[in-house]
Amino acid sequence: DAKTTQPTSMDCAEGRAANLPCNHSTISGNEYVYWYRQIHSQGPQYIIHGLKNNETNEMASLIITEDRKSSTLILPHATLRDTAVYYCIVRVNHDMRFGAGTRLTVKP
Amino acid sequence: GAVVSQHPSWVICKSGTSVKIECRSLDFQATTMFWYRQFPKQSLMLMATSNEGSKATYEQGVEKDKFLINHASLTLSTLTVTSAHPEDSSFYICSVNLGTSTDTQYFGPGTRLTVL
Repeated sequence: DAKTTQPTSMDCAEGRAANLPCNHSTISGNEYVYWYRQIHSQGPQYIIHGLKNNETNEMASLIITEDRKSSTLILPHATLRDTAVYYCIVRVNHDMRFGAGTRLTVKP
Repeated sequence: GAVVSQHPSWVICKSGTSVKIECRSLDFQATTMFWYRQFPKQSLMLMATSNEGSKATYEQGVEKDKFLINHASLTLSTLTVTSAHPEDSSFYICSVNLGTSTDTQYFGPGTRLTVL
């Protein structure tokens, strides 16, 4: 599976949009981009995934560049409860391998 | 999505004893489940893939005789840490693969193991 690169940490003001970038320059044509988040001492929570089109659900939006080498997860109106580690994963096989992720801190 | 539970949520045991952790898929029949381990301030590391009715597949460096996995039904997989030692203290998390074309995984809440 392709590797991903994410910033180690980011801050965001409460109520503002949080934009979390992810680079996956070695992604292959059949690999999906997945985003999960993990709040302290809990299991990872699924957020969203996509292949090449932009996706939106009740939690977030996923913007994938046309060349698919990078993507951005957007939390439109961040709240304090969105403070977590966010993982960007690309995969085609069943197993899912986590990188270090981005620690997002939403501040009042 | 799938609802996944784990039991116990936390456990403390003495060194040398064995501990069993259960992972249940409450609303989905899972032929494949995954076990992860997470040490403090680190990311999740895949330990093994649990296949219903067959032997588990272990990742490189994970001792199959120490971490016994049983996936006897489509809704239950168990991980037994045998002869636990303090270095086995960790957060153990299971996940269920929906098996759809998009292969979304849903994770359990995790089990914190502390070995004294």
